[in-house]
Amino acid sequence: EVQLVESGGGLVQPGGSLRLSCAASGFTFSTYWMHWVRQVPGKGLVWVSRMNSDGSGTNYADSVKGRFTISRDNAKNTLYLEMNSLRAEDTAVYYCAREATASRYFDYWGQGTLVTVSS
Amino acid sequence: DIQMTQSPSSLSASIGDRVTITCRASQSIGSYLNWYQQKPGKAPKLLIYAASSLQSGVPSRFSGSGSGTDFTLTISSLQPEDFETYYCQQSYSTPRTFGQGTKVEIK
Repeated sequence: EVQLVESGGGLVQPGGSLRLSCAASGFTFSTYWMHWVRQVPGKGLVWVSRMNSDGSGTNYADSVKGRFTISRDNAKNTLYLEMNSLRAEDTAVYYCAREATASRYFDYWGQGTLVTVSS
Repeated sequence: DIQMTQSPSSLSASIGDRVTITCRASQSIGSYLNWYQQKPGKAPKLLIYAASSLQSGVPSRFSGSGSGTDFTLTISSLQPEDFETYYCQQSYSTPRTFGQGTKVEIK
């Protein structure tokens, strides 16, 4: 069974840092592109970042570029999102998602982890 | 970046109604259009991929159509479990942008 389990969310002060993890199981993690998507409670889905299967390619939303870093450890089947210089507007539930190879849809999602940026 | 515009942002319907949600891309995306359903407090669930392909396990009352810039999600006969929020997403290019969502409410 495919599973994605996020962790690492919590309360952090503005300007602070946090690292999210997404532990994958039930599939060959090293062959899939992975993404982070966030959602302010009660609002819509916003794509944040993606990394290709071997970690050689990344993309970021303009709103997080230069502050967030996506990475992965294929030996540990884990995706990460390092978040620095956090702002109140980064407060959201963060989901990791697997991208299916052919038509590039997100076929599996984690349960999400809440990040709250507040003093 | 490709902008995705969904309409309506919300709708009220009754059980058994036929419902259509539209999604328009700011440029042609071929058939790289996906639809998700989201329940409150839960992760999105894939319903339709590649504009018209039904994800395994999704009821056949859900269907998708369109190509290029204009797409639709149709629920042929609304069931109680369908009163949720629906999002379109383009997977033609990065960033993989989403529509703003359509909330389907009980009339």
